[in-house]
Amino acid sequence: EDQVTQSPEALRLQEGESSSLNCSYTVSGLRGLFWYRQDPGKGPEFLFTLYSAGEEKEKERLKATLTKKESFLHITAPKPEDSATYLCAVAGRTSYDKVIFGPGTSLSVIP
Amino acid sequence: ETGVTQTPRHLVMGMTNKKSLKCEQHLGHNAMYWYKQSAKKPLELMFVYSLEERVENNSVPSRFSPECPNSSHLFLHLHTLQPEDSALYLCASSQDRPTSSYNEQFFGPGTRLTVL
Repeated sequence: EDQVTQSPEALRLQEGESSSLNCSYTVSGLRGLFWYRQDPGKGPEFLFTLYSAGEEKEKERLKATLTKKESFLHITAPKPEDSATYLCAVAGRTSYDKVIFGPGTSLSVIP
Repeated sequence: ETGVTQTPRHLVMGMTNKKSLKCEQHLGHNAMYWYKQSAKKPLELMFVYSLEERVENNSVPSRFSPECPNSSHLFLHLHTLQPEDSALYLCASSQDRPTSSYNEQFFGPGTRLTVL
């Protein structure tokens, strides 16, 4: 059964203090790994899709990387507006039309 | 309107009421989804529709009844709900179903449902 775990559960950073969020996954035949950002009371906002190990994508202060077992979301010099819950999700070949979401990492960036 | 819209944004209902949630996507996508998000739990997939055909029912109780009249609209009909059904219900759409490529999902703002 496909599974996704994320760590840490919560992270507090000072403004400008770079760090990484981890997404560990178990899936048979990865079709895609997705990162989303969710602000309180809102729907998730799509950030990145990664398809194969070694792939990297960047957007402003965020960089997502992928290995065969993990994905990392690197946040460089974060700002308070980066505070949100970051969700990781996977689509696997044996999950058919299901996308499995992880529990998320709640990030707080303190000015 | 752009993206994915949901109405109502907030809903309070009794256990004997019947209500419906509405979702509309303005992205020209072929797949639509209903998710349930409860506090401290991961997003739970409920239903997937591809080109108006239901392709996934993730063991959802029959008190939740989806309807997809066309590729732009999705409804979730609710009846005889329980207090534990209180949650944020999210609608999403993607270009194609997850078994295809380019399947990143775009979410609406959600409906906050409270069952008394």
